[in-house]
Amino acid sequence: DQQVKQNSPSLSVQEGRISILNCDYTNSMFDYFLWYKKYPAEGPTFLISISSIKDKNEDGRFTVFLNKSAKHLSLHIVPSQPGDSAVYFCAASLKNRDDKIIFGKGTRLHILP
Amino acid sequence: NAGVTQTPKFRVLKTGQSMTLLCAQDMNHEYMYWYRQDPGMGLRLIHYSVGEGTTAKGEVPDGYNVSRLKKQNFLLGLESAAPSQTSVYFCASRLFSGRGNQPQHFGDGTRLSIL
Repeated sequence: DQQVKQNSPSLSVQEGRISILNCDYTNSMFDYFLWYKKYPAEGPTFLISISSIKDKNEDGRFTVFLNKSAKHLSLHIVPSQPGDSAVYFCAASLKNRDDKIIFGKGTRLHILP
Repeated sequence: NAGVTQTPKFRVLKTGQSMTLLCAQDMNHEYMYWYRQDPGMGLRLIHYSVGEGTTAKGEVPDGYNVSRLKKQNFLLGLESAAPSQTSVYFCASRLFSGRGNQPQHFGDGTRLSIL
């Protein structure tokens, strides 16, 4: 049972345009959502997070939007740069169970020149 | 600071052999995790620990054992390696805060091939 779903295995975006990565979840008890970025031959690195009581969090070129009624979140990257080419993982933590983090399968983002 | 260090980076084993993967963190984090990453499967949790001397099973624990004798180290053991355990293994650590927004810090992975 996949509680965190990233339905697009890959996405290609022109440099300078907006990249939108999507994530859906099924468990209404998730209280934080996190995005990680992973380059080949490296471990994932934390990018940005959002609390379930918020609908938007912004950090530079990265903005995460949360739609609780739809159980959907998205990561926007504006403008997209070549260094953004990586695999992006959506993850979630459960309320009162912050020891476990549940990951989606990831979306590979290709930034085209 | 080194952060999270995994040893070794690469290893090739024969079916039936045993080995231990070492994870060390220097951030004094309470939580530590072992994941495996396979194509199309994302990161799957094998075992984790919420403190020294404690361990718990994750999503795919079969065939693996772990130990956390010291706070800074988390060991992952394969007693009898199988080809299905060919994967990239990631260790992560995380600060305890009681809130789920504390990010995990990952090592660079161990690429393990079982022949």
